[in-house]
Amino acid sequence: NAGVMQNPRHLVRRRGQEARLRCSPMKGHSHVYWYRQLPEEGLKFMVYLQKENIIDESGMPKERFSAEFPKEGPSILRIQQVVRGDSAAYFCASSPPRTGVNGELFFGEGSRLTVL
Amino acid sequence: AQKITQTQPGMFVQEKEAVTLDCTYDTSDPSYGLFWYKQPSSGEMIFLIYQGSYDQQNATEGRYSLNFQKARKSANLVISASQLGDSAMYFCAMRVTDSGGSNYKLTFGKGTLLTVNP
Repeated sequence: NAGVMQNPRHLVRRRGQEARLRCSPMKGHSHVYWYRQLPEEGLKFMVYLQKENIIDESGMPKERFSAEFPKEGPSILRIQQVVRGDSAAYFCASSPPRTGVNGELFFGEGSRLTVL
Repeated sequence: AQKITQTQPGMFVQEKEAVTLDCTYDTSDPSYGLFWYKQPSSGEMIFLIYQGSYDQQNATEGRYSLNFQKARKSANLVISASQLGDSAMYFCAMRVTDSGGSNYKLTFGKGTLLTVNP
């Protein structure tokens, strides 16, 4: 399967714990995007990364959330000290460089975080 | 700011009939792309169809077609010959090139839950 791979698919955490979500983009894609889907809502942009660079994190909450895309390995979305409101589906998408307005984003299957 | 509105929280259709899912959008940017995604109960986001703002013809992909009315800023999805497997959430989304030249963000609507009845 050469698609966008996310893991874990489901993650349960207690309040105050840390959540780490991983995303491996499609082969040949160097751009990664994270979106969050709250219950009953559409997806909302969080952050856009290229290898070793955060390009746009305007959709990320100012505290507790961070993202990275290292030179080697998957992109990681990290949520520290989780709260119940962080319960959501987190989707990763990837694209090749120079994606125009008609460029399709390829989404992973999402990681569903439940905070108890 | 860009905005996508999907006014139908839920829709029902009989198997083998056609159904139209509404989507209106708001942007002042002349160059934009409109997308439809399907999200079945398993949760993944599946790309269905794309329409560019400068495209002269309505997009079609198999049983999916996009009824693009630029003056009315609408981009409705038409599914012909509905199948039971079409039951899912459907999201309309838009991408524009912002003032900084960036064009990577998708703005999503809240979705429409389609149920296909046998």
